[in-house]
Amino acid sequence: NAGVMQNPRHLVRRRGQEARLRCSPMKGHSHVYWYRQLPEEGLKFMVYLQKENIIDESGMPKERFSAEFPKEGPSILRIQQVVRGDSAAYFCASSPPGTGRTYEQYFGPGTRLTVT
Amino acid sequence: AQSVTQLDSQVPVFEEAPVELRCNYSSSVSVYLFWYVQYPNQGLQLLLKYLSGSTLVESINGFEAEFNKSQTSFHLRKPSVHISDTAEYFCAVSDRLSGSARQLTFGSGTQLTVLP
Repeated sequence: NAGVMQNPRHLVRRRGQEARLRCSPMKGHSHVYWYRQLPEEGLKFMVYLQKENIIDESGMPKERFSAEFPKEGPSILRIQQVVRGDSAAYFCASSPPGTGRTYEQYFGPGTRLTVT
Repeated sequence: AQSVTQLDSQVPVFEEAPVELRCNYSSSVSVYLFWYVQYPNQGLQLLLKYLSGSTLVESINGFEAEFNKSQTSFHLRKPSVHISDTAEYFCAVSDRLSGSARQLTFGSGTQLTVLP
């Protein structure tokens, strides 16, 4: 059973470009979460999605950031007009449906975004 | 809202010595508690979790953590560490409220370095 997949693993963008980060959850998982890890800091929650629905985006910056989890295909975190402060590691996690185990989140290897 | 405090950012310890990584949390509601481990340039792996029941939880590789409600702590311990335990360890909480977003709140991490 493959784990959570993220690509690309490393992404370099110039200021003002767009960054698209992809996440494929574990098989059978219907919940996806995005977290950001800034240097020397812990992970900060960004957004929680289920298929075709954003459930909680309380951690998303108000501008330039968006996320989706379509019916088919991976979840996408999109950052428009990137700035140097967006440089970070972005982690996706997924959890299974139902009760009891939905609080267990399984993380992907992350995408390390560098803005030059 | 919750918060997690990991007081020790760096913990060096000699191989085969015992270790304790401290975690304290603050929350106005009941919580689930987790420890995650992150090896260099990798994603987070779930090490152990407390959801309910026995306050002492164990992992398959010899770590254990004890939930102490009165002290709002969830310290991680191992009686004898190995070189391969060198990694960053993150404590995390999630509230138990039914229907709420299941975001994890992380501490800032503790870098455990096992010395030969």
